[in-house]
Amino acid sequence: GAGVSQSPSNKVTEKGKDVELRCDPISGHTALYWYRQRLGQGLEFLIYFQGNSAPDKSGLPSDRFSAERTGESVSTLTIQRTQQEDSAVYLCASSFDPSTYNEQFFGPGTRLTVL
Amino acid sequence: AQSVTQLGSHVSVSEGALVLLRCNYSSSVPPYLFWYVQYPNQGLQLLLKYTTGATLVKGINGFEAEFKKSETSFHLTKPSAHMSDAAEYFCAVTRGTSYDKVIFGPGTSLSVIP
Repeated sequence: GAGVSQSPSNKVTEKGKDVELRCDPISGHTALYWYRQRLGQGLEFLIYFQGNSAPDKSGLPSDRFSAERTGESVSTLTIQRTQQEDSAVYLCASSFDPSTYNEQFFGPGTRLTVL
Repeated sequence: AQSVTQLGSHVSVSEGALVLLRCNYSSSVPPYLFWYVQYPNQGLQLLLKYTTGATLVKGINGFEAEFKKSETSFHLTKPSAHMSDAAEYFCAVTRGTSYDKVIFGPGTSLSVIP
């Protein structure tokens, strides 16, 4: 497809388990972003990848959160030892040329529920 | 540090009435500004953006926004609300001098009353 895709769309897990969330950006987009959106709240920046540069991890809330990106393609966000406060929708976005203006194209999100 | 505020977490308007969603930002450098919309059960999509040039920008679905540097504002308006406009609206601003990083406001939920 032409848009950003994310999988799974929904994930229910037990507290303490690890989860992996996947994002497939639009082909050719060099920048990729992860955000967290808690119920009724705005977007919280987590991490940003741009080409081969070191990722900007300044938004990761704890060391239980990590993310990887292979080249300029797929990214995975991993949450270890999940807690109930991790329950949220995790959004991925990509953009083509962030050096000019930064129109981000968003995926549909993964809704994570930690029981 | 840059920040974005949206006055009113929830706004209700009657169908056909003016829509006004407020956005103010703090930035030490001229930013790029965006409005994104999130329809129920859908991902965010760009509504409109200001980068340079004309300060009144037009977006999709009849929305427009005006960049007012002196007021550090970028309010979103639409002359006549439609039921299909009910959604969550997010104002966003580029962060610092890096145009590749964006800060989102907390969002305003718009309800349209028939």
